[in-house]
Amino acid sequence: DAKTTQPTSMDCAEGRAANLPCNHSTISGNEYVYWYRQIHSQGPQYIIHGLKNNETNEMASLIITEDRKSSTLILPHATLRDTAVYYCIGGYQKVTFGTGTKLQVIP
Amino acid sequence: EADIYQTPRYLVIGTGKKITLECSQTMGHDKMYWYQQDPGMELHLIHYSYGVNSTEKGDLSSESTVSRIRTEHFPLTLESARPSHTSQYLCASSGGGSQETQYFGPGTRLLVL
Repeated sequence: DAKTTQPTSMDCAEGRAANLPCNHSTISGNEYVYWYRQIHSQGPQYIIHGLKNNETNEMASLIITEDRKSSTLILPHATLRDTAVYYCIGGYQKVTFGTGTKLQVIP
Repeated sequence: EADIYQTPRYLVIGTGKKITLECSQTMGHDKMYWYQQDPGMELHLIHYSYGVNSTEKGDLSSESTVSRIRTEHFPLTLESARPSHTSQYLCASSGGGSQETQYFGPGTRLLVL
């Protein structure tokens, strides 16, 4: 599984786009990039995943660089309910969640 | 919507008691996982299973044990609870193959007095 690096914390104004970066320079060619978030102490919630192409769903967009060494999760219009810890994970099977990025959405 | 359940949600118990935390999923997933998480800290994988009769220890050493007799059921047992076992325990499952998305249960908060 790839090691990922994320900023410890970020702030975002309510209604603005939140862009959360992740570095996964050791990811191998067949490993997907997954994003999850954990609100308070609930179980983590799946957001989105991708391999090479950019992906979009009802929750977020995922932009993966061409060399696949980094990605950005975009929450297009952040709300207060998006305040959470966001985890970027490279790989599959026995994955490591790490410490993630604590996103604080500010009114 | 993920269908993965954990019971109990909260448990307060005395030192030395045997406890079993239940985890069940109705999605037919082969892979199941147990994580331990202290407040404000990262998740640590303590056990995982890739199918019936398959169990492995995770990255964080744990005194707990698990079993996987049925696909849908992955209980975690502590033979003799201690205060150091106080934590939140999260169960997850995934479908395997390229779909490694993990679906998490609500967690069990354990307090050992």
